[in-house]
Amino acid sequence: GQQLNQSPQSMFIQEGEDVSMNCTSSSIFNTWLWYKQDPGEGPVLLIALYKAGELTSNGRLTAQFGITRKDSFLNISASIPSDVGIYFCAGRKWGNRDDKIIFGKGTRLHILP
Amino acid sequence: DAMVIQNPRYQVTQFGKPVTLSCSQTLNHNVMYWYQQKSSQAPKLLFHYYDKDFNNEADTPDNFQSRRPNTSFCFLDIRSPGLGDAAMYLCATSSPRRDTQYFGPGTRLTVL
Repeated sequence: GQQLNQSPQSMFIQEGEDVSMNCTSSSIFNTWLWYKQDPGEGPVLLIALYKAGELTSNGRLTAQFGITRKDSFLNISASIPSDVGIYFCAGRKWGNRDDKIIFGKGTRLHILP
Repeated sequence: DAMVIQNPRYQVTQFGKPVTLSCSQTLNHNVMYWYQQKSSQAPKLLFHYYDKDFNNEADTPDNFQSRRPNTSFCFLDIRSPGLGDAAMYLCATSSPRRDTQYFGPGTRLTVL
């Protein structure tokens, strides 16, 4: 089946540092999505990317949809303590009567005191 | 106001005893998804409905079944839960293609 390769698996950074994570796939997706999940909660959508090459920002978050449609990155600038959590990329692919969203393995972000 | 509601939030069942998890939505979305998420892992898509059309993932065990009686409700049935089925089960909805995906809070299943 389709797989997304997300890296890094975890990150340990100081508050105020910038963060970068990415996802690659062997498959082409129609849409790339980035989520954050806090413990005990469902994932919350951060950014959705709809076009190849698209660069989108949401506050301190910036994400890009790769030109090949097989990759995406997420950057977080000037990290703050509430950024701690797990970040997932997800690829969305649809057909005539299906609309599948597949998740990467996640990047766990830790902020050192 | 809650848009995707999952009941119960916590479910305990015994090994081999059938269990049903429920999901409802107030968004009138065409697509509903069920994911299984184990500790420190990514959500794994089990299946999804596009309206009444059921789309099963190739690696979803037969032990997992689903029903969608109407647009608002979707159920996950685990016919004979094993210890390995203990996980968080997430329901999500979406309008096709361009809209975002909304997740419920999840049901944490414990198998004794």
